Amino acid sequence: TQLLEQSPQFLSIQEGENLTVYCNSSSVFSSLQWYRQEPGEGPVLLVTVVTGGEVKKLKRLTFQFGDARKDSSLHITAAQPGDTGLYLCAGDEIRGAQKLVFGQGTRLTINP
Amino acid sequence: EAQVTQNPRYLITVTGKKLTVTCSQNMNHEYMSWYRQDPGLGLRQIYYSMNVEVTDKGDVPEGYKVSRKEKRNFPLILESPSPNQTSLYFCASSLDRATEAFFGQGTRLTVV
Repeated sequence: TQLLEQSPQFLSIQEGENLTVYCNSSSVFSSLQWYRQEPGEGPVLLVTVVTGGEVKKLKRLTFQFGDARKDSSLHITAAQPGDTGLYLCAGDEIRGAQKLVFGQGTRLTINP
Repeated sequence: EAQVTQNPRYLITVTGKKLTVTCSQNMNHEYMSWYRQDPGLGLRQIYYSMNVEVTDKGDVPEGYKVSRKEKRNFPLILESPSPNQTSLYFCASSLDRATEAFFGQGTRLTVV
């Protein structure tokens, strides 16, 4: 059982469509990070959310941290082929061990 | 340039032949980790180190060893590799467990 459950695991949509990726848990996190990973590369940090209810925007990407700090979402508006990649959420569990916990990832494909 | 360097990028080896994957960071980070990435399972932490001479097990430590004799280096050792250790391995470093993790480019290991 994953501490952080991401959904969907796979998503293939057409260019210009909107999408939302979810990262859910029953645990509370002091912070939550979103990474993007491209083939042949390591994950790269997109954003960190820290405060319950926080919303951060990165161009066409909107990240939200749940009020209870147990979940997060990533919304992409007007997806572009360059958004294609593996999106990973990672959380610092409040009562957890000294490590980040990663979700299993959402593999996103944007078709031209 | 701030970076995490792993070597080798690709390795094919035989069961039982000891191997070491090196990892070096130039950001003076205290926290370093090793992960393995397998399809559908996301990133799973193998070992982590909070500082020099301080290492601890992650979620999947069996069959692996690490050492942290210097701050910049964190090698991963497989004393007797087995086929179930075939995977994509990532080294990461960060200021602490909850801040941005900088990942190496990965080592694709195949054990036959």
